[in-house]
Amino acid sequence: AQTVTQSQPEMSVQEAETVTLSCTYDTSESDYYLFWYKQPPSRQMILVIRQEAYKQQNATENRFSVNFQKAAKSFSLKISDSQLGDAAMYFCAFLAPSGYSTLTFGKGTMLLVSP
Amino acid sequence: GAGVSQSPSNKVTEKGKDVELRCDPISGHTALYWYRQSLGQGLEFLIYFQGNSAPDKSGLPSDRFSAERTGGSVSTLTIQRTQQEDSAVYLCASRQGSGQGPHPHFGPGTRLTVT
Repeated sequence: AQTVTQSQPEMSVQEAETVTLSCTYDTSESDYYLFWYKQPPSRQMILVIRQEAYKQQNATENRFSVNFQKAAKSFSLKISDSQLGDAAMYFCAFLAPSGYSTLTFGKGTMLLVSP
Repeated sequence: GAGVSQSPSNKVTEKGKDVELRCDPISGHTALYWYRQSLGQGLEFLIYFQGNSAPDKSGLPSDRFSAERTGGSVSTLTIQRTQQEDSAVYLCASRQGSGQGPHPHFGPGTRLTVT
């Protein structure tokens, strides 16, 4: 079974600054997907970024980028030029696409953004 | 195109009553997940459907919980004899299926309050 660990229950950042959210996972799979989801107070889960394990290049989406370290089983999210709208709960998630696979989430990190 | 929809968006029920929560996945998505999110908590896996395979029910917390997926599309989560601890947001997600496929797409959730 896979496990996903987010060790930071809460993080704070000031507008325009950079923040990194941590995520580690444990799996015996070699092929899998990793995701970061954002959940604002509206409770709608929004995909922020995805990474395929076979790709060595780190994924980037505008101000969001990841540091994917497959050997260390680490998948951190960096948010650059933070904005007030980035304030939300962020969840790291693991999906093994081979066969019959559930989607495993970490417990989440609450990101607070101050002006 | 249309996203994942869930109904009702909010449900208030009395302790001991049965409730049904509905999820309409994205057309063509063969995989469907149900999660429960208690206030301020992470996502607790409930059940996973993949095509015509037997569902993974390993996350259902008790025999009061059941789910079905008719015709490989719409899914209904039923909670019998509701208890106050069942109060939570119930989230549904769908994705294209096993193997290569995009990320799971989430619905807006149903907030269940048991009084």
